[in-house]
Amino acid sequence: DVKVTQSSRYLVKRTGEKVFLECVQDMDHENMFWYRQDPGLGLRLIYFSYDVKMKEKGDIPEGYSVSREKKERFSLILESASTNQTSMYLCASSLPGQGHQPQHFGDGTRLSIL
Amino acid sequence: GENVEQHPSTLSVQEGDSAVIKCTYSDSASNYFPWYKQELGKGPQLIIDIRSNVGEKKDQRIAVTLNKTAKHFSLHITETQPEDSAVYFCAASRKNNNDMRFGAGTRLTVKP
Repeated sequence: DVKVTQSSRYLVKRTGEKVFLECVQDMDHENMFWYRQDPGLGLRLIYFSYDVKMKEKGDIPEGYSVSREKKERFSLILESASTNQTSMYLCASSLPGQGHQPQHFGDGTRLSIL
Repeated sequence: GENVEQHPSTLSVQEGDSAVIKCTYSDSASNYFPWYKQELGKGPQLIIDIRSNVGEKKDQRIAVTLNKTAKHFSLHITETQPEDSAVYFCAASRKNNNDMRFGAGTRLTVKP
């Protein structure tokens, strides 16, 4: 089974801090994604990466950056955390290729910015 | 861009009854429609998907129907069980996972 592991289940940080959310997958997937999940809004794509050192903006990239130095690891960075970034963050991975491949999600990191 | 609307936002059924969740999409070029189930404290998990070249797909107690003309698709769960209680998300995509758009989710509660 594919395993996508997010390093923290719960995280509390302060406004203005630089925050790192880590995600690791064990299935050698090329594609990795970061979403945020908010009540009533579903899942919204922040950034995705289709290869090491490659990244593309999703729908809501403002205030975030990402890093993909190794194939198995995809990090989400909040450069200067703000209270409106309090949310559930989900990482996902999938195989590459044309068309659609099933996405495998981690269990999420619930981030609170005080 | 694509916009996916999902109804209802909450649904409560008695064990053994059927549950139906409906989604509409705006982009007529969308051709892939997955459904995800998210249990408490877990990430979403793909439970079934349908592509635009078919109108219906079934997997045991779960079925999905697609009406391309009306741009809506539905999830049907028959003989519901308490373990079906979860949040369900629909999604629509045109080309690949990068352009996937999700509905807001439906919280299904199955009462024993």
